[in-house]
Amino acid sequence: DTGVSQDPRHKITKRGQNVTFRCDPISEHNRLYWYRQTLGQGPEFLTYFQNEAQLEKSRLLSDRFSAERPKGSFSTLEIQRTEQGDSAMYLCASSTILPTGGSGNTIYFGEGSWLTVV
Amino acid sequence: GESVGLHLPTLSVQEGDNSIINCAYSNSASDYFIWYKQESGKGPQFIIDIRSNMDKRQGQRVTVLLNKTVKHLSLQIAATQPGDSAVYFCAETGSSGGSYIPTFGRGTSLIVHP
Repeated sequence: DTGVSQDPRHKITKRGQNVTFRCDPISEHNRLYWYRQTLGQGPEFLTYFQNEAQLEKSRLLSDRFSAERPKGSFSTLEIQRTEQGDSAMYLCASSTILPTGGSGNTIYFGEGSWLTVV
Repeated sequence: GESVGLHLPTLSVQEGDNSIINCAYSNSASDYFIWYKQESGKGPQFIIDIRSNMDKRQGQRVTVLLNKTVKHLSLQIAATQPGDSAVYFCAETGSSGGSYIPTFGRGTSLIVHP
């Protein structure tokens, strides 16, 4: 395992349907982050986990969004009753508990999961 | 919350030139900064980072400079190549609340002409 893995890479869904994205972090990384990115913008923080505990959620994470990391390894991000405004790339990142640089101790991103709601 | 911003949304250079991408940050509590490169359709790729106790760090063809006095960060790319064409983001993180959650600006699009 050499990087953060996300699945699926692309998802097209009809408005109102539910979608789920999966993220597998780098092994031994305790922290896992979810971000959302729309065209022309930088990634926006959604939520993060430290081990299995969800420690922070942004205001962007509406009640239609739910994230889990049940065993402190992989994580899922589910969007219920999708809306066209949910169309974006959903990025997952992982790090150690204290990502402060040095010897590769930083925050690494996956390739993202593109969501298109039609 | 406070945000990170970039001075130039687009930078166009000739192959072989040096490129400088600038970034301003406003959160004085930020103490760790990361530069990412993002190619079209891909996730952000780590380039280089710097802690606030340093003012310069060099990597392979890249150098990051940090000026805490004016809260300014720059990424210098030497001998820019067409493969360097991408959007570059700086991200600031800090120990506020122990969170170290990266905050991103809009990014700068670097276009390298052969």
